[in-house]
Amino acid sequence: DQQVKQNSPSLSVQEGRISILNCDYTNSMFDYFLWYKKYPAEGPTFLISISSIKDKNEDGRFTVFLNKSAKHLSLHIVPSQPGDSAVYFCAASANRAGGTSYGKLTFGQGTILTVHP
Amino acid sequence: GAVVSQHPSWVICKSGTSVKIECRSLDFQATTMFWYRQFPKQSLMLMATSNEGSKATYEQGVEKDKFLINHASLTLSTLTVTSAHPEDSSFYICSAASPSGSPDEQYFGPGTRLTVT
Repeated sequence: DQQVKQNSPSLSVQEGRISILNCDYTNSMFDYFLWYKKYPAEGPTFLISISSIKDKNEDGRFTVFLNKSAKHLSLHIVPSQPGDSAVYFCAASANRAGGTSYGKLTFGQGTILTVHP
Repeated sequence: GAVVSQHPSWVICKSGTSVKIECRSLDFQATTMFWYRQFPKQSLMLMATSNEGSKATYEQGVEKDKFLINHASLTLSTLTVTSAHPEDSSFYICSAASPSGSPDEQYFGPGTRLTVT
């Protein structure tokens, strides 16, 4: 049962344009969402997160949007750069302090982003 | 961000042998560490949550007698794959949570590629 889904295995974008990566989730207990960037043979690196009390969070070129009613989030990268080429994972957490799930992350399958010069 | 190391970065072993993978938080104390495995082109799947000084909590479907986890200190957790078989070949990644436990402050190691022949 894939509770976090990234339905696009890959995305190709021209340098300078916008990259939009999508993620859907099914578990209504998830209340905290994160995006990670990962290079081959390396661990994921945290990019940006959003709490379910917000619908948008921005950090430089990265913006995450959350649509709770649709159980959908997206990561926008503007402008895209060749160095952004990597695998992007979204992850979700039931972030209730003291709960047994605190800190546990459920990952999507990842989307390979390729940014062409 | 904080640094988490894993050792070894890759290992090849024969079927039936055991392999130990170390996960260290280098510049902070981690009361909680997580172990994931990733199959090619798939998501990171949480295997277990490792808490310093107590028994690990395993996710459903993960054999605790096969994947032994020890979290003997605040900076070291080990995963031992016992009696390894070719189907255990995978990429194993650990993460270490800062004392706050916030998902934002969960730092991933570079991973260990295990190949069982």
